[in-house]
Amino acid sequence: SFELTQPPSVSVSPGQTARISCSGDNLSDKYACWYQQKPGQSPLLVIYQNGKRPSGIPERFSGSNSGNTATLTISGTQAVDDADYYCQAWDFSTAIFGGGTKLTVL
Amino acid sequence: QLQLQESGPGLVKPSETLSLTCSVSGDSITSSSYSWGWIRQPPGKGLEWIGSLSYSGSTSYNPSLKSRLTISLDTATNQFSLKLISVSAADTAVYYCARREEEVAGTIDHWGQGTLVTVSS
Repeated sequence: SFELTQPPSVSVSPGQTARISCSGDNLSDKYACWYQQKPGQSPLLVIYQNGKRPSGIPERFSGSNSGNTATLTISGTQAVDDADYYCQAWDFSTAIFGGGTKLTVL
Repeated sequence: QLQLQESGPGLVKPSETLSLTCSVSGDSITSSSYSWGWIRQPPGKGLEWIGSLSYSGSTSYNPSLKSRLTISLDTATNQFSLKLISVSAADTAVYYCARREEEVAGTIDHWGQGTLVTVSS
């Protein structure tokens, strides 16, 4: 079955660039999206269709998808970006989520 | 502005049926551009797709839950619902309702705030 694999944690210093990977077989054949989730809150879409940003999402968030890996990049990371991030893609008609990555900004 | 709000019992006994409703404002569940679905998250764990349904009848169900699952739309109240039968402790989770775009990539673009359902006697 199709699976998405994310690193459990990523740490970054404020102002630096954070990159979170999401791996799956031939993932570039599918659209990937990314969700941000802060404690006690519902997930928020930050990237869709591999690299598009919804209205209201800061430009520092970007995404790419090539080969077996999709990547969420946060440029000039801020303290407010400290959160869990989940990638997601569709396997036929089932949404598959990665296990999530805890981004720590310190 | 689209808003989704889950409602339903926070406690369900093992072997009984979990029933939740999602109230939608700011959009119509009859829209041809979207379907309406559910995702859950066990405490401290990741996200799991449950399923979705569109007004046109397009469905998407998690194969591992399909045999216990019913999703339905109520156009009169602009609500949709989830029923999961024969629940066990493994079904304890925060349940989110959500909107899914149907025209391009199936993006889940809006989520409700979530409601915790605990399965316990």
